[in-house]
Amino acid sequence: GQQVMQIPQYQHVQEGEDFTTYCNSSTTLSNIQWYKQRPGGHPVFLIQLVKSGEVKKQKRLTFQFGEAKKNSSLHITATQTTDVGTYFCAGLSSGTYKYIFGTGTRLKVLA
Amino acid sequence: GAVVSQHPSWVICKSGTSVKIECRSLDFQATTMFWYRQFPKQSLMLMATSNEGSKATYEQGVEKDKFLINHASLTLSTLTVTSAHPEDSSFYICSATGLGNTEAFFGQGTRLTVV
Repeated sequence: GQQVMQIPQYQHVQEGEDFTTYCNSSTTLSNIQWYKQRPGGHPVFLIQLVKSGEVKKQKRLTFQFGEAKKNSSLHITATQTTDVGTYFCAGLSSGTYKYIFGTGTRLKVLA
Repeated sequence: GAVVSQHPSWVICKSGTSVKIECRSLDFQATTMFWYRQFPKQSLMLMATSNEGSKATYEQGVEKDKFLINHASLTLSTLTVTSAHPEDSSFYICSATGLGNTEAFFGQGTRLTVV
């Protein structure tokens, strides 16, 4: 079945450093979503990417969808302690209606 | 964004008993609801998908007789863990999407502990 892997699994950064998490799907995706889950909380929707090669920005966050629509990345510029949490991508395979979550990247920001 | 309310937020039950978890969309009609299970420090594993008025579609390896899902209305889906065992202890979370909208809104989750 479809698999969605994320790397790295964990990342510790000093406040102010940049951070990137990569998402790779075993199948071509119709679209991909990104979520953030704070410790003890539930996933919160960040963004959806639909087009091949699409790039979207939200303040310090930059999201990219690969040309082949099988991978995606989330880049955070100048991390802050409020960025702490686990970032999940969730991919929707072509022809299906359900999102499969990636393995997640847990980010820790050291002040 | 839209609001999805999940209840209870935590529950402790005895082994062998059943537990019902409710997931309500408060300000939109949820045509599709998803139920996930999340173990500590792991990803969300999709258990089943339910559409209002029809039987749920279960993922491979998920026992439909153990995890009963009912989506009786456009605002309510329930997950009942039947004859719970300690290995069923986990964080269960629902999400909902509305007609023509692919953004999913998550409930707060339910932490189930079976003793």
